[in-house]
Amino acid sequence: GESVGLHLPTLSVQEGDNSIINCAYSNSASDYFIWYKQESGKGPQFIIDIRSNMDKRQGQRVTVLLNKTVKHLSLQIAATQPGDSAVYFCACEESGGGADGLTFGKGTHLIIQP
Amino acid sequence: DAGVIQSPRHEVTEMGQEVTLRCKPISGHNSLFWYRQTMMRGLELLIYFNNNVPIDDSGMPEDRFSAKMPNASFSTLKIQPSEPRDSAVYFCASSPTSWGDEQFFGPGTRLTVL
Repeated sequence: GESVGLHLPTLSVQEGDNSIINCAYSNSASDYFIWYKQESGKGPQFIIDIRSNMDKRQGQRVTVLLNKTVKHLSLQIAATQPGDSAVYFCACEESGGGADGLTFGKGTHLIIQP
Repeated sequence: DAGVIQSPRHEVTEMGQEVTLRCKPISGHNSLFWYRQTMMRGLELLIYFNNNVPIDDSGMPEDRFSAKMPNASFSTLKIQPSEPRDSAVYFCASSPTSWGDEQFFGPGTRLTVL
């Protein structure tokens, strides 16, 4: 199967600072990418997505960047807040790929320090 | 809307017993997904349904696992017989359409097989 990995398992940032979480994927056929946030004891929650025809997409305090050349995805969170503390993981989908075309990263634990 | 509903939230059983996990997707959503999450393997897609029909079950680990969706508002994931290595958190998610669309996750069922 394809691999999706995260560079840092734990990221600690000061409240108010910006954070960047990275993700590398290996399936060049992936054309849809999603970032999820998972708080302790809860299910994953959609944050933002991006399709392969874009290289940047912005939401409220979050920005996703996609570099298809190096198969790299990042999530930027601006002005972090205590509520941002969670595990963040990326997912990559390949249209028409079925279950084999969907891969999730292991996750990065983001810790916001006061 | 109450979101995706899963039951039970916690299940502890002994090896060899049958386990049934239940899911109620968001009303109006056409696709339903079953996932398993462990520390070692992260989030894995087991099976997904579209319009109540199983589309891809290639993620189901073995014949001990089976899933059904008798109607648009209910799905079950059954493990028979259960084994300790099945211990994980099982998530159900639904989406308005199919691939390439945001998935809404339930709170999960934490399964422990002794």
